[in-house]
Amino acid sequence: KAGVTQTPRYLIKTRGQQVTLSCSPISGHRSVSWYQQTPGQGLQFLFEYFSETQRNKGNFPGRFSGRQFSNSRSEMNVSTLELGDSALYLCASSLGAGANVLTFGAGSRLTVL
Amino acid sequence: EDQVTQSPEALRLQEGESSSLNCSYTVSGLRGLFWYRQDPGKGPEFLFTLYSAGEEKEKERLKATLTKKESFLHITAPKPEDSATYLCAVRGGGADGLTFGKGTHLIIQP
Repeated sequence: KAGVTQTPRYLIKTRGQQVTLSCSPISGHRSVSWYQQTPGQGLQFLFEYFSETQRNKGNFPGRFSGRQFSNSRSEMNVSTLELGDSALYLCASSLGAGANVLTFGAGSRLTVL
Repeated sequence: EDQVTQSPEALRLQEGESSSLNCSYTVSGLRGLFWYRQDPGKGPEFLFTLYSAGEEKEKERLKATLTKKESFLHITAPKPEDSATYLCAVRGGGADGLTFGKGTHLIIQP
């Protein structure tokens, strides 16, 4: 059974650019959540999608957005990148909305120069 | 606002030396407390879910316990392959995803 797949694994951007990250959940999982991981703040919740609808959103500025497609795949976008956006972005999938057991992908490591 | 504090930040043990990791939490309406393990370059891997005070769960050398204010992850006779960062998280009554602690970086020396 394939796990959660995130692409790209590594990317480097400059300030002001935008970035799109992709997440393919485990087959049959309909909920996708996104988390930002930094050494200083640890893992912080970004948003959760279920059946193409954003169900919850964390305390992040509007530059962070996401969407979910009918096949449950999800993308997140960060516009007008800032140095502080450098982080590991983790996607997690689960069977249903608000499910307690999350299966994480390996993450996309974003470096903003 | 839900909060999770883990201690110690880092812990170095000899192989076979048992110890415990602490997770203190404040949450409005606990819907679950979770332990994850994260290896370098990988995403967190689910270990346990605990729902109510007094609950305990075990998996190989790991045992997780829960009280009304904290959880402990007990590691018995650890091996070098148990070296990882252990993360604690809670889901509260709100709908804001999981709130994670900053983790305990555990190193088991052979």
